[in-house]
Amino acid sequence: GAGVSQSPSNKVTEKGKDVELRCDPISGHTALYWYRQSLGQGLEFLIYFQGNSAPDKSGLPSDRFSAERTGGSVSTLTIQRTQQEDSAVYLCASSLVAGLNTGELFFGEGSRLTVL
Amino acid sequence: DQQVKQNSPSLSVQEGRISILNCDYTNSMFDYFLWYKKYPAEGPTFLISISSIKDKNEDGRFTVFLNKSAKHLSLHIVPSQPGDSAVYFCAAGGTALIFGKGTTLSVSS
Repeated sequence: GAGVSQSPSNKVTEKGKDVELRCDPISGHTALYWYRQSLGQGLEFLIYFQGNSAPDKSGLPSDRFSAERTGGSVSTLTIQRTQQEDSAVYLCASSLVAGLNTGELFFGEGSRLTVL
Repeated sequence: DQQVKQNSPSLSVQEGRISILNCDYTNSMFDYFLWYKKYPAEGPTFLISISSIKDKNEDGRFTVFLNKSAKHLSLHIVPSQPGDSAVYFCAAGGTALIFGKGTTLSVSS
């Protein structure tokens, strides 16, 4: 597609359930990033991929969070045993390559997760 | 500890006047700085960037200034328009961007 696509756009789940969030980057973009924005907060870096590998996972808040990317394209962010503090908008972005002096990130519209 | 700080949560400006949004950072290793604009229910969109080797970059109504010694950058919008009303995020980094908390700009007509 023309832009970064994320699904679902909205997800309401019960505490303790697992959720999967999907990101389809711009075709040809090798770098993919996950951020989240909690209420009243800025964009918190979670993880980025260059191709299928994740050189930097430093932002993942706990071991309940994991992400994978297959085929150098679609990425899935999985949150296991969700907690209420996981409620946030999860944003995916892509860029041609990692290393931002080569260009900006293109963001999707985000997946809003609400944990009851 | 926040590496990128936007100390003003909001800014109100009249149409036609200048908007100045400020950002401070702590990591001297940051080599690239960007501003993003975000409307409600949309993802952030890139606005303007500046490399650490420059002190100014201009694109139409938008100018970004970088003061490396002060670890400070600012975004100037002139003249401000009602359509500029949005949340503006400052971001800095090398490979992965670190974002500030954003400043909500309101431009009244």
